[in-house]
Amino acid sequence: GENVEQHPSTLSVQEGDSAVIKCTYSDSASNYFPWYKQELGKGPQLIIDIRSNVGEKKDQRIAVTLNKTAKHFSLHITETQPEDSAVYFCAASKNPNYGGSQGNLIFGKGTKLSVKP
Amino acid sequence: DGGITQSPKYLFRKEGQNVTLSCEQNLNHDAMYWYRQDPGQGLRLIYYSQIVNDFQKGDIAEGYSVSREKKESFPLTVTSAQKNPTAFYLCASSIGKTQYFGPGTRLLVL
Repeated sequence: GENVEQHPSTLSVQEGDSAVIKCTYSDSASNYFPWYKQELGKGPQLIIDIRSNVGEKKDQRIAVTLNKTAKHFSLHITETQPEDSAVYFCAASKNPNYGGSQGNLIFGKGTKLSVKP
Repeated sequence: DGGITQSPKYLFRKEGQNVTLSCEQNLNHDAMYWYRQDPGQGLRLIYYSQIVNDFQKGDIAEGYSVSREKKESFPLTVTSAQKNPTAFYLCASSIGKTQYFGPGTRLLVL
């Protein structure tokens, strides 16, 4: 089955710097890659996602890149702010039309990002 | 106000007791999910339901049970067979590939 590895597990940056979180996946059939942000004591919130037919997607200070050949994708946060401090999760899944559990999300173990003022 | 609600926010379980966590959504999503989150473990899938009156085991279903009698509701019961129930439980629903999460329930053992 699919396996998603996420690095680093913790990341500390100075306010205004950039932060990069990387994930690798094992199943070349995976075609959907969301990123979630989880603040303390709350549920994860979707911040950006990318599908396998594009290599990069950007939304203001957040961008995600995908390298299908190498089977890895990355989250880039520019001009970090203290409110960006949270745990970030990557995930991967196949087309849910496969049926059964194959369309379910497989999550990385998370990255705790701390942005210091 | 649309979204996913989970209750209670905190739940305490006594030894040998079954407890039920509530999950409700008014997003008209067909699929719903339950995850367990432990420190450093990420999210692990307990059960999922792609349609009313149908549900499937996830990766860690032992000691848990669910029902899906209504589209809006997907309650999770933590049974006495679950020997290590202390965790943060997250419910999600989806349309297509995108999953949306509730605020979570923290279960603690007395």
